[in-house]
Amino acid sequence: NAGVTQTPKFQVLKTGQSMTLQCAQDMNHEYMSWYRQDPGMGLRLIHYSVGAGITDQGEVPNGYNVSRSTTEDFPLRLLSAAPSQTSVYFCASRRGSTYGYTFGSGTRLTVV
Amino acid sequence: LAKTTQPISMDSYEGQEVNITCSHNNIATNDYITWYQQFPSQGPRFIIQGYKTKVTNEVASLFIPADRKSSTLSLPRVSLSDTAVYYCLVAEAGGYQKVTFGTGTKLQVIP
Repeated sequence: NAGVTQTPKFQVLKTGQSMTLQCAQDMNHEYMSWYRQDPGMGLRLIHYSVGAGITDQGEVPNGYNVSRSTTEDFPLRLLSAAPSQTSVYFCASRRGSTYGYTFGSGTRLTVV
Repeated sequence: LAKTTQPISMDSYEGQEVNITCSHNNIATNDYITWYQQFPSQGPRFIIQGYKTKVTNEVASLFIPADRKSSTLSLPRVSLSDTAVYYCLVAEAGGYQKVTFGTGTKLQVIP
C-alpha cells in the first residue's frame, strides 16, 4: 500500500550511540517532516524538507541531522543519543498543492 | 504561524454529536484550517480542511465563521472508535509551510 514507511518500529539505544531513523514515501510528495511526540504532549517539529536537496530546522532540531538526497527518502540521524531524546518519532509527507499530511506509524525510541 | 487554542479534553456519550472548537485569532488571509485525528500508538490522520464557511466529508464537518478567528470540528453520532486526540492546525496556503501541532483535544466517548 502507498504511504509513509518508517523503520525501525522500536529501538533501544545507549547514551552516546548514534543511529538513523528511516523514512520513505512512495507518493512523490515534495514535503517531508520529522516530528517527535512525548507522553501527553503534541507533536514538535524537528526538521523538514520542501524537496530533494533542501532541508531546514523546526522547533527542536538540536541533536538531530537530516538530509534529502531523493524525493522518496528522508532519514533522521541522532548524532549522540541522550535520554532526553526518548520519544516517539513520526515522519510525515504531503504534496505541495495540498494541506493534509500523511504520517508514518512511528518509531518508539528509548535511550538508556 | 497562527497560534491555535483548543480545549484539553472533552467527554461525550455514544450517539451524540460532538463539536470541538479551535481559536486562531491571528489567522492570516492565506491560511487554511486543517484538522487531524490521532489514535494511541498511531500517527495523526488528516480529517478535513477548510478556508471559510462549511466543509463536509464522510468523516466530519468543519464550520468556519466569516471572521475565521475560530473553527469548529463537528463529529456526527460518535462511537467508541472516535475516542482519539483531535488537532487543529492553521497552515499557510501554497508554497512552503512549517506546520506545527499543538497539544490537541482528547475526546473520550463513553458507552
